[in-house]
Amino acid sequence: QKEVEQNSGPLSVPEGAIASLNCTYSDRGSQSFFWYRQYSGKSPELIMFIYSNGDKEDGRFTAQLNKASQYVSLLIRDSQPSDSATYLCAVNIGGGGNKLTFGTGTQLKVEL
Amino acid sequence: GAVVSQHPSRVICKSGTSVKIECRSLDFQATTMFWYRQFPKQSLMLMATSNEGSKATYEQGVEKDKFLINHASLTLSTLTVTSAHPEDSSFYICSARDRTGSKADTQYFGPGTRLTVL
Repeated sequence: QKEVEQNSGPLSVPEGAIASLNCTYSDRGSQSFFWYRQYSGKSPELIMFIYSNGDKEDGRFTAQLNKASQYVSLLIRDSQPSDSATYLCAVNIGGGGNKLTFGTGTQLKVEL
Repeated sequence: GAVVSQHPSRVICKSGTSVKIECRSLDFQATTMFWYRQFPKQSLMLMATSNEGSKATYEQGVEKDKFLINHASLTLSTLTVTSAHPEDSSFYICSARDRTGSKADTQYFGPGTRLTVL
């Protein structure tokens, strides 16, 4: 079982819709969770992080964390074509070093 | 804030030569930096953790004698790919960990270095 799993997609949504990206993780001791956006040929860009159960909102983005279900999601409201990218879920599994383990990413396509 | 730079952005070299990549945190001090490699259509793979003033910690399967890491200051880490071969061609990305305030161990990425070994 992979430590951090994401559906590779592509996930296609129409412009203006809500895009929902999901991520599951295997280690119950995981402490912090991050969403990064990566455009083709570019490096990852931090969107937001979340530590506590529940929702965290930042502009059009909402991260949701459910530690009991080992599930973290990212909602993008009012999706724009410029949101088309690969979204990487990253988890700090702990165990020293504060390394991040990345999922393989979900490709999002926002269509006009 | 939290800007990380990388140099060079792109390098083409001949097989057998060595290439040095620099990673700098521009507006914060980074006691820890990380080096990743990403092959086309694959996710990021952590190569090593670079700690200021101490030896780097390499992930399993990464040759420490081939990928030399130096973290001489709180704002600079370097990765040297020694005796590069075509299979080392990849996108190398560094990140720096910001431990200040509410950011709590967030990693910020540099723009990456695309290495092509002929």
